Amino acid sequence: EAGVAQSPRYKIIEKRQSVAFWCNPISGHATLYWYQQILGQGPKLLIQFQNNGVVDDSQLPKDRFSAERLKGVDSTLKIQPAKLEDSAVYLCASSLRGGGAGEKLFFGSGTQLSVL
Amino acid sequence: KQEVTQIPAALSVPEGENLVLNCSFTDSAIYNLQWFRQDPGKGLTSLLLIQSSQREQTSGRLNASLDKSSGRSTLYIAASQPGDSATYLCATYNNNDMRFGAGTRLTVKP
Repeated sequence: EAGVAQSPRYKIIEKRQSVAFWCNPISGHATLYWYQQILGQGPKLLIQFQNNGVVDDSQLPKDRFSAERLKGVDSTLKIQPAKLEDSAVYLCASSLRGGGAGEKLFFGSGTQLSVL
Repeated sequence: KQEVTQIPAALSVPEGENLVLNCSFTDSAIYNLQWFRQDPGKGLTSLLLIQSSQREQTSGRLNASLDKSSGRSTLYIAASQPGDSATYLCATYNNNDMRFGAGTRLTVKP
């Protein structure tokens, strides 16, 4: 079974530039999550989709971050414009049902973003 | 607001030792608790999931316990191996909200 796929693996940009990350969840998984993990900290949820609807985006800095999940499968996360404090690993995860089931999450390898 | 703490931040042990990793949380009203492993430059792998009604879960050399009333969970690793070296994170789940600790970075020396 293929895991959660993310690209790119690494990205280096200058502040005020824009960047996009892509995620393909495990086939058949209804729920998709984007997390931000700053060095030395645990992951923090940015946005959660169930199918193609947003369940929770309360911690997404909406003035600069946006995300979409087309057709309830792949998802992209965009930052525009980037700030120095956005340097982090961006993790995508998926789960079979979500929606309060509290089930196991499956994570991708992440995209490491460095903003200079 | 749930806060999850893991102490120590780093731990180094010789191969073969049994060890315990600690996780504490401030709000005992949780649906479940998960333990994850994270290797450098990789995502998280779920190791064990304990439902709120359970006291422990076991998988191979790993045993996780949960004491909701005291807001604590432990991950016990038996007969540690160098391949166990990684960061271990715990996460509580309730009301569609998953909160992670910062993790314990474990090094098992040959």
